[in-house]
Amino acid sequence: EDQVTQSPEALRLQEGESSSLNCSYTVSGLRGLFWYRQDPGKGPEFLFTLYSAGEEKEKERLKATLTKKESFLHITAPKPEDSATYLCAVQGYGNNRLAFGKGNQVVVIP
Amino acid sequence: GAGVSQSPRYKVAKRGQDVALRCDPISGHVSLFWYQQALGQGPEFLTYFQNEAQLDKSGLPSDRFFAERPEGSVSTLKIQRTQQEDSAVYLCASSHAQGGGLNNEQFFGPGTRLTVL
Repeated sequence: EDQVTQSPEALRLQEGESSSLNCSYTVSGLRGLFWYRQDPGKGPEFLFTLYSAGEEKEKERLKATLTKKESFLHITAPKPEDSATYLCAVQGYGNNRLAFGKGNQVVVIP
Repeated sequence: GAGVSQSPRYKVAKRGQDVALRCDPISGHVSLFWYQQALGQGPEFLTYFQNEAQLDKSGLPSDRFFAERPEGSVSTLKIQRTQQEDSAVYLCASSHAQGGGLNNEQFFGPGTRLTVL
């Protein structure tokens, strides 16, 4: 069974204080690892897909990296508008479903 | 519209009532998914359609849950005889990809928040 564990569960950052979110996973053959952002009362918003170890992707202040066991979402010089829950999910070969972690709840304080 | 839409956005049901939740996927997307998200948790898979075929329904929690996509576009998730434990946000997602390969990102709708009293 595909499993995802995210840490820390909650994180409070000062504006400009860079940090990283961790996503550890087990999957029988990784088809893709996905990062989403979810704001309260809204559906998850797609951020990145990573397909193989060593791959990195960037978008504004966010950078996602992937190893064979985990992924990191680095937030550089965060702003209050980066406050959200960040969800990590994996998709394994043989099925199309996403298996999600519980999320990292990030609050950025001005 | 450009994104996935869901209706209603909020639904309150009395225990024992039947409910129907609608999903309009992104136009042209072959794959459609339903997920259930409890408060403070990540989404949990319910079922998957490729066009009108329901290829995976292993996540449906009981036989009270039923989903359909008769014409390969709009989908409806029906819950019969609702129970309090069915209270959650129900998310619909669509994807361009049929299976393997790249561009298999799933794009989510805003969800329907179901409260069962």
